[in-house]
Amino acid sequence: DAKTTQPNSMESNEEEPVHLPCNHSTISGTDYIHWYRQLPSQGPEYVIHGLTSNVNNRMASLAIAEDRKSSTLILHRATLRDAAVYYCILRRGAGSYQLTFGKGTKLSVIP
Amino acid sequence: ETGVTQSPTHLIKTRGQQVTLRCSSQSGHNTVSWYQQALGQGPQFIFQYYREEENGRGNFPPRFSGLQFPNYSSELNVNALELDDSALYLCASSPGTRAIRSTDTQYFGPGTRLTVL
Repeated sequence: DAKTTQPNSMESNEEEPVHLPCNHSTISGTDYIHWYRQLPSQGPEYVIHGLTSNVNNRMASLAIAEDRKSSTLILHRATLRDAAVYYCILRRGAGSYQLTFGKGTKLSVIP
Repeated sequence: ETGVTQSPTHLIKTRGQQVTLRCSSQSGHNTVSWYQQALGQGPQFIFQYYREEENGRGNFPPRFSGLQFPNYSSELNVNALELDDSALYLCASSPGTRAIRSTDTQYFGPGTRLTVL
């Protein structure tokens, strides 16, 4: 799977929007962009995924650059519960069994 | 709907011993994946089972083995434990097919914390 690059850590104030960046310059045309997050002492949980168009769900929005070499996960109003490690993952078209995690971005939310 | 469950929660073993970790997949899911997460690192893929057969394997030695049962629950077995095997072991289930789709979501359990002394 292609590699992703994320900042090690970020901070946000509670109830402020948060933009978590991810670079994936070697992305291929069939790679989907997935985001998972891992709250303290829990397993990872799915957040959102997309291919080319921006995506919205109840948890977050995913903004994908036109050249697909970067993407941004947007939390519209950070809460204390959003403090977690956020992982940006690329999954290839066919036969991609696993999720290939990097170190992710540790998000701290300040009350 | 019951989520993914794992047992035990914590486990302490000594070097050279063998360990079995268990996972019950989410209702309706026939695919189970196992991951190892060392402290401060992201999870690393061990292997995946689809309908009782191994469907893909990461870069782990043969002393890491697994089983999936007809009810789609799964076991991870690790023989000849080493100190570096100390980690959080995560199980994830998904409603997959043999041709795994890039859009399949994996649902993770809370993990088993293994300490090897």
